[in-house]
Amino acid sequence: EDQVTQSPEALRLQEGESSSLNCSYTVSGLRGLFWYRQDPGKGPEFLFTLYSAGEEKEKERLKATLTKKESFLHITAPKPEDSATYLCAVRLRYSSASKIIFGSGTRLSIRP
Amino acid sequence: NAGVTQTPKFQVLKTGQSMTLQCAQDMNHEYMSWYRQDPGMGLRLIHYSVGAGITDQGEVPNGYNVSRSTTEDFPLRLLSAAPSQTSVYFCASSYSTPGLAADTQYFGPGTRLTVL
Repeated sequence: EDQVTQSPEALRLQEGESSSLNCSYTVSGLRGLFWYRQDPGKGPEFLFTLYSAGEEKEKERLKATLTKKESFLHITAPKPEDSATYLCAVRLRYSSASKIIFGSGTRLSIRP
Repeated sequence: NAGVTQTPKFQVLKTGQSMTLQCAQDMNHEYMSWYRQDPGMGLRLIHYSVGAGITDQGEVPNGYNVSRSTTEDFPLRLLSAAPSQTSVYFCASSYSTPGLAADTQYFGPGTRLTVL
């Protein structure tokens, strides 16, 4: 069964304390992996798309990496404004447009 | 560009009532989708459309109808609301051509629905 699992469910960090969020996937074939940020009461906001193992993308304090089984979202020296829920989603290869599987997210809280 | 817009932002219904959640996008995207988001669960696809006049079911379609008469609009209809449909609903759109990488989805701000 195709599955996407995010860990941890929640993470509390001190401002400046770097860490990583994990997204592991078990799918029949990967077309692309997406990272989104979601603030309370708002829709998910696109961050990155990764397509193949070894690929990396960066944006400000965020860096996303991809292996054949998982993706990491590394947060370097986070600030309180980085607090949000981070969602990962996988689009399957050899599938219709409908086959995008979302993980349940990691709630990140950064204390000043 | 306004992006993806949704109305209303909040709605309370009684069991058995019907209503339509509105979604519009101004990016000329072909693909549009409706998701629901429940606590502790990932976003789940309700219905989707690959273009005007073409719709299909997603993972959790029961109790919902959609139509796509224009590229811009993709309304979601609740036929007879049930408490199990209490959720936050998101509309998303993307521009995608097979073989191209640009199939990122852009989401609307959501509609928070409560069914009593």
